[in-house]
Amino acid sequence: DAGVIQSPRHEVTEMGQEVTLRCKPISGHNSLFWYRQTMMRGLELLIYFNNNVPIDDSGMPEDRFSAKMPNASFSTLKIQPSEPRDSAVYFCASSLRGQAGTEAFFGQGTRLTVV
Amino acid sequence: DQQVKQNSPSLSVQEGRISILNCDYTNSMFDYFLWYKKYPAEGPTFLISISSIKDKNEDGRFTVFLNKSAKHLSLHIVPSQPGDSAVYFCAAKDTGNQFYFGTGTSLTVIP
Repeated sequence: DAGVIQSPRHEVTEMGQEVTLRCKPISGHNSLFWYRQTMMRGLELLIYFNNNVPIDDSGMPEDRFSAKMPNASFSTLKIQPSEPRDSAVYFCASSLRGQAGTEAFFGQGTRLTVV
Repeated sequence: DQQVKQNSPSLSVQEGRISILNCDYTNSMFDYFLWYKKYPAEGPTFLISISSIKDKNEDGRFTVFLNKSAKHLSLHIVPSQPGDSAVYFCAAKDTGNQFYFGTGTSLTVIP
């Protein structure tokens, strides 16, 4: 398996533009997580899905952020409109829920820069 | 509020010596704890884990200790090698399969 695949690896956009980050989880995994990494807060959980259903989105900063998981093999994180303070590295991770101790596998991340 | 805390943002250790990274948590319902290692420009990779029913797990140079009464876990690396230089994240998993991460500790192993 190729692991968790995120695209794009880097995104530079202007303030006010819409940004869409994409994630393909590991095949067979049924939990998917979106994290944001910043210097101040480390890895923050934004939202996670179990069996394509959003379970906890309390980490989503505000209404400008939205995430979808239309099927088991694809998820998007959208920011509209983007702001400079959204600049960070965004990670997607997947795991197999139901197995005690199964770790989450991370993608390589998308580095977002909003200018 | 951070449920998993790593209070040391950085640590420097001489090559060959022991590295000890610490982590505290607040939720007694966590059932699994993990350590991840992260190099620059890469995603975190799983390193070692421990179930809440154990107090020690060892894998080669890496040992994780869990003290449930103190809600504390630690990662020991011995002997430390320059290639171990990275950011280490402590994480805890709850029964709903949600993972909580600490803010990370940057380890530098000096040759």
